[in-house]
This record gives sequence, structure tokens and C-alpha cells, in this order.
Amino acid sequence: EAGVVQSPRYKIIEKKQPVAFWCNPISGHNTLYWYRQNLGQGPELLIRYENEEAVDDSQLPKDRFSAERLKGVDSTLKIQPAELGDSAVYLCASTPAQSGAGETQYFGPGTRLLVL
Amino acid sequence: QKEVEQDPGPLSVPEGAIVSLNCTYSNSAFQYFMWYRQYSRKGPELLMYTYSSGNKEDGRFTAQVDKSSKYISLFIRDSQPSDSATYLCAIMNSGNTPLVFGKGTRLSVIA
Repeated sequence: EAGVVQSPRYKIIEKKQPVAFWCNPISGHNTLYWYRQNLGQGPELLIRYENEEAVDDSQLPKDRFSAERLKGVDSTLKIQPAELGDSAVYLCASTPAQSGAGETQYFGPGTRLLVL
Repeated sequence: QKEVEQDPGPLSVPEGAIVSLNCTYSNSAFQYFMWYRQYSRKGPELLMYTYSSGNKEDGRFTAQVDKSSKYISLFIRDSQPSDSATYLCAIMNSGNTPLVFGKGTRLSVIA
């Protein structure tokens, strides 16, 4: 079974440029998460989807960040414009249909973003 | 005070040593406790999951939760160089609340 797929793996951009990250969760996983992991820190949730609905986006900086999961499968996270402080690893994770307490979140390898 | 506190290390031990990794948390409502392992340039992977207080053992790994002290631990017996990674504790209130991660402890096991 294929794991969570993310692309690109690495991205270097100049500040004020836009950038987009793509995630394809494990087949059949209805819940999808985007996390940001700063250097030396644990992941912090940006947004959680149940199918195509964003059910928790309270930590998403909506002035510059946007996300979509149009058909309830793959998802895109966008930053426009990027700032120096956005340099981090952006992780995508998914859980099976019946997301509940203790459900294992399967993480992708992440996209490492460097903003110059 | 952060919701989850974890000593970032780094921690360096010789092969075969017993490793103890710890986290404290502030919110007594948290019920689900997990340990993730993250290798360099990889995403986290779930190692252990426990609910409520007590111990859980899986091979060389033992997870321990003390809810009265708000303290969780992961013990690694007979540590191996392949255990070298960052270990993240994560806690959750209920099934529909987000995981709250600690900073992670970077462990190196020296052969």
C-alpha cells in the first residue's frame, strides 16, 4: 500500500513569491491534515479536512495561506506571498474514514521550504 | 506555559543502553498519549499509543503514562544505532481534536 505522497520534496523561493504544496493521502483515508514543523519543533496543525470539508482551520494564517481539497482526495496548500518566517517543513497526514481517538496519523515525508 | 513540554536534548547513549524520554503536559483533559519517531528528512511515524494511565510494552519499547503527575515516558531497552532519531511525544483530548506535539528529543545511539 502506498503511503502519503507529497510533492515537491524541496522548494527554494524568494520572499513575496507564491508557493504550493501537494498531498495525496492513503487511499480510503477521509481525514487529511496539514502541519507545519519549524526547525527543532514538533509539528503544529494548520488545517484538518474531513472529506472535502475543512473542519479545523483555526491555526491557518488566512491572510496568506489557503488550502483546498476539492474532491475529498488530494489536497493543495498555498502560500502567497511567502515570508522568511514561512521556512519550515510542511507535513501532510491522513487517517482512515472513522477518524477517532488514537487513530494512527500516517505522515508523508514533507515538503522542505526555504524562503530567501 | 506550552501545553506539552519536552526536553529537546540532544541525547547521546552507547549501544545497549536503556533510554528514558519524557514529556510533561499541562491540561488534565488530555486522554490519549502517543510517541512518534522521526528519522532525518522523514515524516513522523507512530511508535506507541496509550490511553489513560499505565504502562504499555511493545518489544524493546515501553510507554508509561502517569496522569496524576501529567507525565509521560518512553523507555527503550537495549538501544540500537537504528534507534537514532527524534522522538516526539503527542497528546490528544478526544478523537476530533488535534494532536499536540512536544518539541522532540534528538537521540543518538553510538555503536
